[in-house]
Amino acid sequence: DVKVTQSSRYLVKRTGEKVFLECVQDMDHENMFWYRQDPGLGLRLIYFSYDVKMKEKGDIPEGYSVSREKKERFSLILESASTNQTSMYLCASSGGGSRTDTQYFGPGTRLTVL
Amino acid sequence: AQSVAQPEDQVNVAEGNPLTVKCTYSVSGNPYLFWYVQYPNRGLQFLLKYITGDNLVKGSYGFEAEFNKSQTSFHLKKPSALVSDSALYFCAVHQAGTALIFGKGTTLSVSS
Repeated sequence: DVKVTQSSRYLVKRTGEKVFLECVQDMDHENMFWYRQDPGLGLRLIYFSYDVKMKEKGDIPEGYSVSREKKERFSLILESASTNQTSMYLCASSGGGSRTDTQYFGPGTRLTVL
Repeated sequence: AQSVAQPEDQVNVAEGNPLTVKCTYSVSGNPYLFWYVQYPNRGLQFLLKYITGDNLVKGSYGFEAEFNKSQTSFHLKKPSALVSDSALYFCAVHQAGTALIFGKGTTLSVSS
């Protein structure tokens, strides 16, 4: 089975802190994704990566950056956390370059910024 | 631009009754459509997807979805609902590259 793990289930940070959210997948997947989930808005794509050291902006990249130094690991970075970044963050991965590939999700990190 | 809509925020159904969770889409080109389920405080779990071929797609946990090209719909169905099916359901459509666009989600509540 595909396994996607996220470093924390719950995280509380202060405004202005630098925050790292880590995601690891164990299936040698090419593509990895970061979404945020907010009530009534569904999932919105922040960034994705289709290869090591490659990244693409999603729909809402402002205030975020990402890092993919190794194939299995994709990090989301909040350079200076703000209260409007309080949300559930979901990481996903998918196998290859096909548009029909299934994305597999991690359990999520619920981030609260005070 | 690709988009997907879930017109109902919540669907209520009694246990044992059939359920339908609605999804409509707008795409240019061939639609690649997905359904995911999210249980409380969990990540999303893949249920099924439509790529091509048979309009009735069977998935996990007894769910199926009917692709209707003329109505641009991809409704999720189950013949007999269980209380344990209560969860948040997301429809998604492929976007550029390999990313997905998700609907806002529909909360399914199954009463005993």
